[in-house]
Amino acid sequence: GIQVEQSPPDLILQEGANSTLRCNFSDSVNNLQWFHQNPWGQLINLFYIPSGTKQNGRLSATTVATERYSLLYISSSQTTDSGVYFCAVGFPSNTGKLIFGQGTTLQVKP
Amino acid sequence: NAGVTQTPKFRVLKTGQSMTLLCAQDMNHEYMYWYRQDPGMGLRLIHYSVGEGTTAKGEVPDGYNVSRLKKQNFLLGLESAAPSQTSVYFCASSYDSWTGELFFGEGSRLTVL
Repeated sequence: GIQVEQSPPDLILQEGANSTLRCNFSDSVNNLQWFHQNPWGQLINLFYIPSGTKQNGRLSATTVATERYSLLYISSSQTTDSGVYFCAVGFPSNTGKLIFGQGTTLQVKP
Repeated sequence: NAGVTQTPKFRVLKTGQSMTLLCAQDMNHEYMYWYRQDPGMGLRLIHYSVGEGTTAKGEVPDGYNVSRLKKQNFLLGLESAAPSQTSVYFCASSYDSWTGELFFGEGSRLTVL
């Protein structure tokens, strides 16, 4: 069936380190977004990236739709990067409704 | 620009009580959604609307009703609250169909005793 899987589930970093978060999906997509949920619970859009590569400051994302995965890169991590990172994927075979992964919980230590 | 606004932010109910969560967006988006977030379950779609006057069921619609009388507002109702409906509720909107970028409100934490 349709699946969205994120890895790793948990990640602990020292401030300044780099990290890569992965989102695997099971079928062709017409929508893929990355969100950051901060410790106060707010869901913030990071990237709308059904294909290709985008960069925004220290964050960048790449989606390789033909190989069914997306990567979120965080460079020079800061304590404010802590929280949960979700990918959400829309599949045309599922009428395009977004399906959320279980998230990667990131803790950046000072 | 307020974006997506949810009220109330917090609410405590007793089993069997009813309540309504209000979502308002000022981005002129056609599409609006209600999600619930539970520990270990991620975000799950309750109901959604593809335009004024329309609503549709999502993944977990039981126990909830919705209305979209005005384009900018999407209401989520609980007619008879149950402890299983204790959750954090998020409203979201997008300018396009499912291929559009999703924008979330700040969430509403509901506890049912």
